[in-house]
Amino acid sequence: IVLTQSPGTLSLSPGERATLSCRASRNVDSSHLAWYQQKPGQAPRLLIYSSSTRAPGIPDRFSASGSGTGFTLTISRLEPEDFAIYYCQLFDTSVNTFGQGTKLEI
Amino acid sequence: VQLQESGPGLVNPSETLSLTCTVSGGTVSIGSYYWNWIRQSPGKGLEWIGYVYFDGRTSYSPSLKSRVTMSVDTSTNQFSLHLTSVTAADTAVYYCVRQVLYDYVGGDYRYFYYFDSWGQGTLVTVSS
Repeated sequence: IVLTQSPGTLSLSPGERATLSCRASRNVDSSHLAWYQQKPGQAPRLLIYSSSTRAPGIPDRFSASGSGTGFTLTISRLEPEDFAIYYCQLFDTSVNTFGQGTKLEI
Repeated sequence: VQLQESGPGLVNPSETLSLTCTVSGGTVSIGSYYWNWIRQSPGKGLEWIGYVYFDGRTSYSPSLKSRVTMSVDTSTNQFSLHLTSVTAADTAVYYCVRQVLYDYVGGDYRYFYYFDSWGQGTLVTVSS
């Protein structure tokens, strides 16, 4: 399976709404789809699992949805600390796959 | 739980890259986790290498399968990565990562397969 994230780069301002897309090359189990945030010099951090469940400690401005082949991560009101790279990840037939990432920049 | 990678930061081309991940505050012997290696080349995205289960079962990335071996040592609470015949293209930050297989939700087990705990990462450079 190939995960394609779009856009590659998203330029927005604090306070705006961000919508990030992750598309799978075929139908997948939405329970096995997760989103991560990575800041420079840091390991990625889990944001969302099972397509739409926020991980512990993740602010409610982060939400996600999707099924089948299309998944979306939304950040309702961008805070300065949200500018980072975001990855989607899928587990399917004993293999993990990452999307190529979306860079969210100011 | 905390994960910590260790191993050489410099490897010669054509040789074998070997890393160990030490798990603290938890145990590798629990069947609800996979123990993964993930890497990130400079300026690039995340690349999954493979995982090992507590009983030694493994799964590897198809693109790296011919060069990768992973193992787990329950007595030392560690798991390891060996990558043979390395080239400059294998230069990357290598992360050891715990993957949650399932949670007990609403009276039932549900499978999710998300990465919840990451090591800080270790940079391995392949160069002579």
